[in-house]
Amino acid sequence: SAVISQKPSRDICQRGTSLTIQCQVDSQVTMMFWYRQQPGQSLTLIATANQGSEATYESGFVIDKFPISRPNLTFSTLTVSNMSPEDSSIYLCSVVAGATYEQYFGPGTRLTVT
Amino acid sequence: TQLLEQSPQFLSIQEGENLTVYCNSSSVFSSLQWYRQEPGEGPVLLVTVVTGGEVKKLKRLTFQFGDARKDSSLHITAAQPGDTGLYLCAGERQAGTALIFGKGTTLSVSS
Repeated sequence: SAVISQKPSRDICQRGTSLTIQCQVDSQVTMMFWYRQQPGQSLTLIATANQGSEATYESGFVIDKFPISRPNLTFSTLTVSNMSPEDSSIYLCSVVAGATYEQYFGPGTRLTVT
Repeated sequence: TQLLEQSPQFLSIQEGENLTVYCNSSSVFSSLQWYRQEPGEGPVLLVTVVTGGEVKKLKRLTFQFGDARKDSSLHITAAQPGDTGLYLCAGERQAGTALIFGKGTTLSVSS
């Protein structure tokens, strides 16, 4: 398994500002993903962030809005840029670990944009 | 189009009752994972099923992967208030790739 921490755990931000979310893993992992969970909804994939290559974004998500860094095998950041109230969500990072490619999630960052 | 149809979306039952949550797709998955999420926390992995027809048990929870690897079910026997939470099924098209999530089942068990 993998133990994942995220910072901040929650934040309230003004519209038009940006927030960078950090994801730290207790072991080296190749595959890392960022998901969004809007209130009362399931999880939607934002992007795949593999170390050594640029992040791959899903339809509806763009790099200018959600820039991602993956400087090493244990750490990644997701920035939510020029925020609007529609960006209010829980943002989760996950990693693939173990011989059976199981995915483990961080505790999430609850973002509220006012 | 939702690739993974999860039902029911909401379930409210009494302690001691049994329940089944279904996860269906027209697509084949290399594996299917079940998660439980409580408010304010990230999803916690319950089980991964990989082989068609596979059945896994976790105490009072029984997970089954369909023979064709297109569907799965979660059965809870004698539900308890501690089972309350959001249950998510998620399929993986290829090993190590991103998960496709169902819409989730919000379970409430009252005593």
